[in-house]
Amino acid sequence: ETGVTQTPRHLVMGMTNKKSLKCEQHLGHNAMYWYKQSAKKPLELMFVYNFKEQTENNSVPSRFSPECPNSSHLFLHLHTLQPEDSALYLCASSLEVHAYNEQFFGPGTRLTVL
Amino acid sequence: KNQVEQSPQSLIILEGKNCTLQCNYTVSPFSNLRWYKQDTGRGPVSLTIMTFSENTKSNGRYTATLDADTKQSSLHITASQLSDSASYICVSKGGGSQGNLIFGKGTKLSVKP
Repeated sequence: ETGVTQTPRHLVMGMTNKKSLKCEQHLGHNAMYWYKQSAKKPLELMFVYNFKEQTENNSVPSRFSPECPNSSHLFLHLHTLQPEDSALYLCASSLEVHAYNEQFFGPGTRLTVL
Repeated sequence: KNQVEQSPQSLIILEGKNCTLQCNYTVSPFSNLRWYKQDTGRGPVSLTIMTFSENTKSNGRYTATLDADTKQSSLHITASQLSDSASYICVSKGGGSQGNLIFGKGTKLSVKP
């Protein structure tokens, strides 16, 4: 395993539900990321956190709300999602926010919005 | 526009055969290019990373090449195994803020017995 865990692994929710995705890294990294992976599309970077501070938000709709209480944990709070938000949501971490640093990915949460 | 294009989109080969996956990038300024392997139901795992000055890098049966002049990279898999069945994603650093990477759509490889 990569040292990055994500829960739940699968999630089905209605458009009016509120749910949260959790990510935890055991690597001592300082940077954490949320990605969206849709079929036949490149990975889309959603949010970047460095030392618990958000450093990047790639025009993500407000129905996705990230939270980073410490360098080891990252959450993605979901509310009033749309069916097109169905995708694999990947969490990653790296030693620093630097493109040379390898990002270690979790297994992802497969989200289905009904 | 910074882009990474991968080909083929999918590939089926027989176990024991070799194959080559292609990656063309139009990313400037260029910092590095990384190949990831993503097994079904798992997150991507890094195979190799190459910077501007590196032409070839190997990781077991995986060999990546980089031609910075033509902005092309390839991933060659030797003596394929069933466990090589996965998606292979090419990633290059684009311009802009640190940590902003340009991902390709990936090549889905299926190795059949």
